[in-house]
Amino acid sequence: EAQVTQNPRYLITVTGKKLTVTCSQNMNHEYMSWYRQDPGLGLRQIYYSMNVEVTDKGDVPEGYKVSRKEKRNFPLILESPSPNQTSLYFCASSWLGGVYEQYFGPGTRLTVT
Amino acid sequence: GESVGLHLPTLSVQEGDNSIINCAYSNSASDYFIWYKQESGKGPQFIIDIRSNMDKRQGQRVTVLLNKTVKHLSLQIAATQPGDSAVYFCAENNAGGTSYGKLTFGQGTILTVHP
Repeated sequence: EAQVTQNPRYLITVTGKKLTVTCSQNMNHEYMSWYRQDPGLGLRQIYYSMNVEVTDKGDVPEGYKVSRKEKRNFPLILESPSPNQTSLYFCASSWLGGVYEQYFGPGTRLTVT
Repeated sequence: GESVGLHLPTLSVQEGDNSIINCAYSNSASDYFIWYKQESGKGPQFIIDIRSNMDKRQGQRVTVLLNKTVKHLSLQIAATQPGDSAVYFCAENNAGGTSYGKLTFGQGTILTVHP
């Protein structure tokens, strides 16, 4: 089954404790992206990657890091999480020629206390 | 489900009615406009897109209209069904620019379909 998977689905952590949210897709997509979703704000793009070793900032990259060492994986790293990063996070992927048609993962609910 | 719909515009319709969801976009340089549907507890799902050189595109039970003069996008759903209940997001993309990979989403509209 073609899908985007994220782990963990739920995470409660404390301020300053580094964490990684993994994202993997099995569709051989070149493009991958991370979004955060907050009430009333819609989805805001954090980082995206057009291909392996190519990453670019989205609209809200501060406090986040990403890497794209393999085509199928695009982990999101929070080096020092803060409470304002409490949010619902989505990973997505698509073909490079159609980034408007993205396939989203199920989401990761992160709470930073 | 996830509480991502606080303070969003809402639209309530009866099953079988037609629904129209509206969106205002901001970037005159955007050349792709997209609609996504997000059901409770799930990630967004692509519905339909339209290029800036078109003003209308039809899919299965959905029609998207684009008015570039007033930067307005709408999604029409025919014969709305309870399964259409969700949050609907418009999004824009500048496929021809240097920020090709960036997708900007609107705040969303909550559609509730009553049986």
